[in-house]
Amino acid sequence: DAMVIQNPRYQVTQFGKPVTLSCSQTLNHNVMYWYQQKSSQAPKLLFHYYDKDFNNEADTPDNFQSRRPNTSFCFLDIRSPGLGDAAMYLCATSRDWGLAGAGVAKNIQYFGAGTRLSVL
Amino acid sequence: QKEVEQDPGPLSVPEGAIVSLNCTYSNSAFQYFMWYRQYSRKGPELLMYTYSSGNKEDGRFTAQVDKSSKYISLFIRDSQPSDSATYLCAARGGRAAGNKLTFGGGTRVLVKP
Repeated sequence: DAMVIQNPRYQVTQFGKPVTLSCSQTLNHNVMYWYQQKSSQAPKLLFHYYDKDFNNEADTPDNFQSRRPNTSFCFLDIRSPGLGDAAMYLCATSRDWGLAGAGVAKNIQYFGAGTRLSVL
Repeated sequence: QKEVEQDPGPLSVPEGAIVSLNCTYSNSAFQYFMWYRQYSRKGPELLMYTYSSGNKEDGRFTAQVDKSSKYISLFIRDSQPSDSATYLCAARGGRAAGNKLTFGGGTRVLVKP
């Protein structure tokens, strides 16, 4: 089945030690998103890629970076994780409005299972 | 004020009851409305998707949107213990608004056998 796959499912890192989370998709969607979700809170958008164009949210800390080497893969890099960065990180994908086609629901976001990050 | 407000619950119901979930929103530009289900330690899964005002039914699930009152609802009939999860409502504008999805904080639902 086509899907959004996140690896690893669980990641433990040390305070200040860089960590990279990965996301891959077989949906051939051109938009990819990274969200941070803390316990009992709504997902918070960090940034998204529209094709190769990177779109950062204004309140995303500089500590968070992203790379999208090709359509299928997207990475979240946390340069110096702090204790406050412990959270679930969600990757999502969507197909742009213009590509969704007639009769197809527009720009729906499909999520991966998430990576739960612990910072020691 | 958050753009999308949702009661955090928890909402506890007996098996077989109707679950009623609600969200309010403040942004008049929102046109598309979604409900996601999120099991513990998993990613959100799309349940329902509606455009503008009206009702949409899919099996045991019914989504309603009332744009005049900025109110969206999800009803789950014949609830099952497997429906126990957090339900997130979400909204977005039209194409000109870009790709951003605005989520409510989620309502935790517990269906007791």
